[in-house]
Amino acid sequence: DAGITQSPRHKVTETGTPVTLRCHQTENHRYMYWYRQDPGHGLRLIHYSYGVKDTDKGEVSDGYSVSRSKTEDFLLTLESATSSQTSVYFCAISRTSGGAYNEQFFGPGTRLTVL
Amino acid sequence: DQQVKQNSPSLSVQEGRISILNCDYTNSTFDYFLWYKKYPAEGPTFLISISSIKDKNEDGRFTVFLNKSAKHLSLHIVPSQPGDSAVYFCAASAGTALIFGKGTTLSVSS
Repeated sequence: DAGITQSPRHKVTETGTPVTLRCHQTENHRYMYWYRQDPGHGLRLIHYSYGVKDTDKGEVSDGYSVSRSKTEDFLLTLESATSSQTSVYFCAISRTSGGAYNEQFFGPGTRLTVL
Repeated sequence: DQQVKQNSPSLSVQEGRISILNCDYTNSTFDYFLWYKKYPAEGPTFLISISSIKDKNEDGRFTVFLNKSAKHLSLHIVPSQPGDSAVYFCAASAGTALIFGKGTTLSVSS
């Protein structure tokens, strides 16, 4: 158990509303990630963080923003949700800085439905 | 263009037999490869990994083989058990990020 929790676990919202998903870790790891999983696409990186207030974009970052004000929390915000953002969102943490031994450990996921 | 490909969406195997899941990649700069297992309604769990300087890594019933010249890796599960039924993702390390394949659904029947 990597000590990662995500909240909420399920959310239904309407198009155009803002949504914030929270990832919380108890391991004090520097690296945190947000992925989305969609049928036929596997997992795709949205944003990641390499420290407090240090974030960068991933493959599918359009329409999403992130913030990390504390080591343990990484927030993903959809400023104005669209139906294309209906997905399962996973947070992950990494104990190393990438390259070799870059095992990432995942949270349980948040299922988001945008109507 | 997909950098990590899992060309078989599904695989069915009988209990006790070998399961072989395959993965191809296009970027020769990838230096670390990982396999994850995912059950429905759960997050992916790390299974096994291999560095590009090795060609085999073994952990219990799970063995990963890497063929750098062919840009191909495979996961062998021996013997397969019904509890192994899940979606398996291959991933490659590209700097800080991991790049995932689309997954292969393994079904092990008893």
